[in-house]
Amino acid sequence: DADVTQTPRNRITKTGKRIMLECSQTKGHDRMYWYRQDPGLGLRLIYYSFDVKDINKGEISDGYSVSRQAQAKFSLSLESAIPNQTALYFCATSDWGQGRETQYFGPGTRLLVL
Amino acid sequence: AQRVTQPEKLLSVFKGAPVELKCNYSYSGSPELFWYVQYSRQRLQLLLRHISRESIKGFTADLNKGETSFHLKKPFAQEEDSAMYYCALSGQGNTPLVFGKGTRLSVIA
Repeated sequence: DADVTQTPRNRITKTGKRIMLECSQTKGHDRMYWYRQDPGLGLRLIYYSFDVKDINKGEISDGYSVSRQAQAKFSLSLESAIPNQTALYFCATSDWGQGRETQYFGPGTRLLVL
Repeated sequence: AQRVTQPEKLLSVFKGAPVELKCNYSYSGSPELFWYVQYSRQRLQLLLRHISRESIKGFTADLNKGETSFHLKKPFAQEEDSAMYYCALSGQGNTPLVFGKGTRLSVIA
């Protein structure tokens, strides 16, 4: 089955370290997204990409960067991790049919910054 | 601007009781509305979308343009319905989905 996968699934790191979270998809979708989920704050959009050459900031992009290496791959980097970046991170893809979109989510990466 | 409001962070109901999760939106055009669900330790998944007019796992949602609402309803709650529910809006044009902050539903046996 076509899917959205994320690696790693869990990560513990220290303040100041650079880390990368990876997302791959076999759905053939052009659009990919990174969100973080925090209790009480719901889902917040970090970055999104509508195709390989397109990168857009979301609601909370400070402290993060992304790379769209191919249609199927979208990586999120934390240049210098800080404790308040401890969260559950989700990647998502979407198709864009008839001017609307439905998003499909990966399993999430649980990140703890000490 | 597109905005989705879910006024309740937590909703607790007894098994067998009716459930209504509220969602209000702000959008000047003609939106498409979705409900996503996240069960414990699982990924978000699409529950239903208003254009499909379908019932999934006993849940229904009707788009009320006059009240700008898309409330999720189920007549008899089950324990397995306990989850986090997100309402989302897709507007026209080149913009991502806008999510509400979510409502955690807890069904008590």
